[in-house]
Amino acid sequence: GENVEQHPSTLSVQEGDSAVIKCTYSDSASNYFPWYKQELGKRPQLIIDIRSNVGEKKDQRIAVTLNKTAKHFSLHITETQPEDSAVYFCAASIEGRRALTFGSGTRLQVQP
Amino acid sequence: DGGITQSPKYLFRKEGQNVTLSCEQNLNHDAMYWYRQDPGQGLRLIYYSQIVNDFQKGDIAEGYSVSREKKESFPLTVTSAQKNPTAFYLCASSIGAGQAANTEAFFGQGTRLTVV
Repeated sequence: GENVEQHPSTLSVQEGDSAVIKCTYSDSASNYFPWYKQELGKRPQLIIDIRSNVGEKKDQRIAVTLNKTAKHFSLHITETQPEDSAVYFCAASIEGRRALTFGSGTRLQVQP
Repeated sequence: DGGITQSPKYLFRKEGQNVTLSCEQNLNHDAMYWYRQDPGQGLRLIYYSQIVNDFQKGDIAEGYSVSREKKESFPLTVTSAQKNPTAFYLCASSIGAGQAANTEAFFGQGTRLTVV
């Protein structure tokens, strides 16, 4: 089955700096890669996703990059704000065939 | 809020007892999932169902059981065979089988189960 590894487990940045979270996956057949944000005591919510037919996707301050050859993908948050503080999860799946496999999460803390 | 509801929010169970967690969705999604969340371990898949009356084991199904008799409902039973049941349980749903099967998964608010 799929195995997703996520690094770092914790990340502390100053407000306004950039944050990068990296994930690797094991199954080359995986083709869907979402990122979820979970604030304390709340449910995970999708913030951005990418499919294997593109290498990069942006949404305002958030971007995701995918390297299929190396089987890794990354989340980039620019101009971080205190409200970005949360736990972020990456995930991978084969659309139509398998449920999401999640990474272990990254706790991001943005210092004001 | 979000169309997927879990109940109860907090649940306490005595050792040796079975307990059932409720998950209901009104999003008309075919696929539903149960995940377990432990500190530092992310979300691990317990069971999932792509369609009514069908479900498959996930990575950590031992000690759990599910049913999918209705499209909108996917209850999870934590049995006495589950050795370490204290955890946060999340239910999710997505559109369903086919090309759009794994587009956005919507999560419920979760149930925190504690064995006392």
